[in-house]
This record gives sequence, structure tokens and C-alpha cells, in this order.
Amino acid sequence: KNQVEQSPQSLIILEGKNCTLQCNYTVSPFSNLRWYKQDTGRGPVSLTIMTFSENTKSNGRYTATLDADTKQSSLHITASQLSDSASYICVVSAPYDYKLSFGAGTTVTVRA
Amino acid sequence: DAGITQSPRHKVTETGTPVTLRCHQTENHRYMYWYRQDPGHGLRLIHYSYGVKDTDKGEVSDGYSVSRSKTEDFLLTLESATSSQTSVYFCAISERTSGGAYNEQFFGPGTRLTVL
Repeated sequence: KNQVEQSPQSLIILEGKNCTLQCNYTVSPFSNLRWYKQDTGRGPVSLTIMTFSENTKSNGRYTATLDADTKQSSLHITASQLSDSASYICVVSAPYDYKLSFGAGTTVTVRA
Repeated sequence: DAGITQSPRHKVTETGTPVTLRCHQTENHRYMYWYRQDPGHGLRLIHYSYGVKDTDKGEVSDGYSVSRSKTEDFLLTLESATSSQTSVYFCAISERTSGGAYNEQFFGPGTRLTVL
């Protein structure tokens, strides 16, 4: 069964600090990996998407990296803001398959 | 939320009663999905649709049925709700690119269902 594991489960950081979230997956073959941000009470919204040939992708203060050989990805948040408080979900898909494998998410709390 | 609405947004019901959740899209996307989200679990696929009247089961389909009579509407029905179906339900839509290798899914705002 394809699995996506995220760590840590939750973290608390001070406003202005950086943090890194981890995602390990076993999906094979692999097509692409996405990071979603889910605010409390809302649906997930895509932050980045990377194919197997991409190593890094940025979206403002969010930078995702991918190592397809080790099947690991990370999401780095730079200079965190209070609005970054949310759950971040790693999602992996296989080629030509509209079914996705979701991680359980990392809950980030940014405190002033 | 990418032209996706879900109704109702909140519902409290009693065990044994039927419940229908509605997902409506204005994007004319071909694929529609129903997920449930529970603490400690990733989003889990209940059912999906790949066209009008074309549906299939996901990984947690027991106790749920779906119908899609129009491109824009995808209904999820709990025939006889149980407490284990207390959850947040998300609808999603997608449309493949020409190559089929990408599948961006856009999510609705969710429905919080409580079964007492």
C-alpha cells in the first residue's frame, strides 16, 4: 500500500523564525508531489507541485525540496508569519492515476 | 475554493438517519471526489466520479453511496448514519491535462457532520 508519512506531527514556532517539515513516501512509480496548506475550517489549498525531475520549488516564503531517490521531501517556511499557522499536507501521486496518497499533515502554530 | 460549494456546511444528525451531502462545482471539471478527514489520518477517498453517471469506490466506501446526474453536482449519501461516520467531508474536483500526468485537485470548504 502506498504510504506518505509526515513529521513532526505538530510544531510551535515564534513569528519570524524558520521551520522545516518532512515528508517520506513509498509511492512507486512516482509522478508528482504536492504540498497543501489547510487553514482551520477550510479545504486544502495547493502550495507547490514537483515532478520527479524537480529538486526544488518555491512559492513566496515556502520552499519545497524533493529527493526522488530517497523518496523524501521537505517544506521550508522562511520568516514565519501568524498567517502561516495551519496544517501542511504532503500529497503524492502515481503516473496517470487520479487517486492521491495523503499524509496526515503537520500542524504549525506560529506565536507572536 | 475554486468554484466549489458544499452543502450543508454543518450538520448534526442521529444514528440511523439518512444524510445527503451535496457538492456543486462551476468549473466544468470531469472528475469529482468525496473524502473524509479525521484526526491522525490523511484525507481518505470515499468515492469518486469520472463522468456523469460514472462512479467508483475509494478506500473507505462502506456505508456510503454517491450519485452524479449532472457534471456540476456530486452527492454523497449515508444511508443509515453511524457514529463512526462523524467526520469532516471534503469534495474535490480535477481535470486532467492533455498528457494526463498532472492531476491538480481543488477542494471545497468541507462539511462537518456529527452523528449522535
